[in-house]
Amino acid sequence: DGGITQSPKYLFRKEGQNVTLSCEQNLNHDAMYWYRQDPGQGLRLIYYSQIVNDFQKGDIAEGYSVSREKKESFPLTVTSAQKNPTAFYLCASRIRGLDTGELFFGEGSRLTVL
Amino acid sequence: DQQVKQNSPSLSVQEGRISILNCDYTNSMFDYFLWYKKYPAEGPTFLISISSIKDKNEDGRFTVFLNKSAKHLSLHIVPSQPGDSAVYFCAARGSGNTPLVFGKGTRLSVIA
Repeated sequence: DGGITQSPKYLFRKEGQNVTLSCEQNLNHDAMYWYRQDPGQGLRLIYYSQIVNDFQKGDIAEGYSVSREKKESFPLTVTSAQKNPTAFYLCASRIRGLDTGELFFGEGSRLTVL
Repeated sequence: DQQVKQNSPSLSVQEGRISILNCDYTNSMFDYFLWYKKYPAEGPTFLISISSIKDKNEDGRFTVFLNKSAKHLSLHIVPSQPGDSAVYFCAARGSGNTPLVFGKGTRLSVIA
């Protein structure tokens, strides 16, 4: 079945450590996105990528990094520079160039910093 | 500066009645609007959308209304069912490949 797979679902990290969240899709979508959800904050855009080897910062990119070496994969690294990394992270994708296309989301990854 | 606002954090409705969730936006360049439903610890799922050239879109129990002059849209669920209990996010996008902008969500509780 086509979809978006995020891993791990739960992750614990000590302060000062970098951690990478995986996002893989087999929907053949060009565009991929990372959002962060905090209680009462809705979904805030971290980074997005429209095509391979290209990505743009979203509203809250500080302390995060991404890569887009393959169409199917868009990993997110939460660095030690991120001041408040504990959150629920959501990866999404859509067909690029289709104005009416909705985002498809993965199941999310919950990161807790100890 | 919130471009998409959902001013009601929560809403409780009795089973069988109508649920009305509201959303306001400030960016006049938005021309496509979506509603997503989210259960705890899961990713949001797409519910219904509307283009700015329309003022109403209906899909089964779900209807979205758009009032462009007021920069307001609403989602109507009728009849409401206990399984509808979730957080509902309003989202908007401009033309082209601009990312979706989400509201903060409204938690709907449908009481049996």
